[in-house]
Amino acid sequence: DAGITQSPRHKVTETGTPVTLRCHQTENHRYMYWYRQDPGHGLRLIHYSYGVKDTDKGEVSDGYSVSRSKTEDFLLTLESATSSQTSVYFCAISLDRGPYGYTFGSGTRLTVV
Amino acid sequence: DQQVKQNSPSLSVQEGRISILNCDYTNSMFDYFLWYKKYPAEGPTFLISISSIKDKNEDGRFTVFLNKSAKHLSLHIVPSQPGDSAVYFCAASGEGNYQLIWGAGTKLIIKP
Repeated sequence: DAGITQSPRHKVTETGTPVTLRCHQTENHRYMYWYRQDPGHGLRLIHYSYGVKDTDKGEVSDGYSVSRSKTEDFLLTLESATSSQTSVYFCAISLDRGPYGYTFGSGTRLTVV
Repeated sequence: DQQVKQNSPSLSVQEGRISILNCDYTNSMFDYFLWYKKYPAEGPTFLISISSIKDKNEDGRFTVFLNKSAKHLSLHIVPSQPGDSAVYFCAASGEGNYQLIWGAGTKLIIKP
């Protein structure tokens, strides 16, 4: 495996609570991404990072924040979870900026009740 | 408005036959296209890609065809094997904007 792990793998949380998902890599890749996957939508980019403390928004960033204090860790926080954020979340890493060479984690299934 | 569309949610093919998965896009600025394969409880894994300067790319049993005038690409798997049963995603990116835009996926089922 490419050395990317996501935690937790499954989580159930209540509406209105904050939730943090973690992505950890051992590949020293510069770029890290958070996606969500929903039926009928494929994968949609939430936020991405191009270096320590350098992050930017994707197409569905509302209600989410991210932080990257170390090269290896990229955290996704749902500030106040809502049922519409029930989804499967994937982290990905890439060495370069281009659209190729993405390696994905195994995903976190989040259920907001 | 989805810029990348995979109109078939699922496809069932007999083992040994050809599987053809289709993908349409609307943005003429897309210049790089990729196919990813995803098994349950795993992340997507890269399968094959094609640049807009080509109309065909082949890698073993997998061939991707690009028809720029029709804004259409297809993935051919020949021969289909049981291990090919998975969800296949088409993704695209445009020059200067390397973010991937993904289709909704097609679930391929290979029947023995």
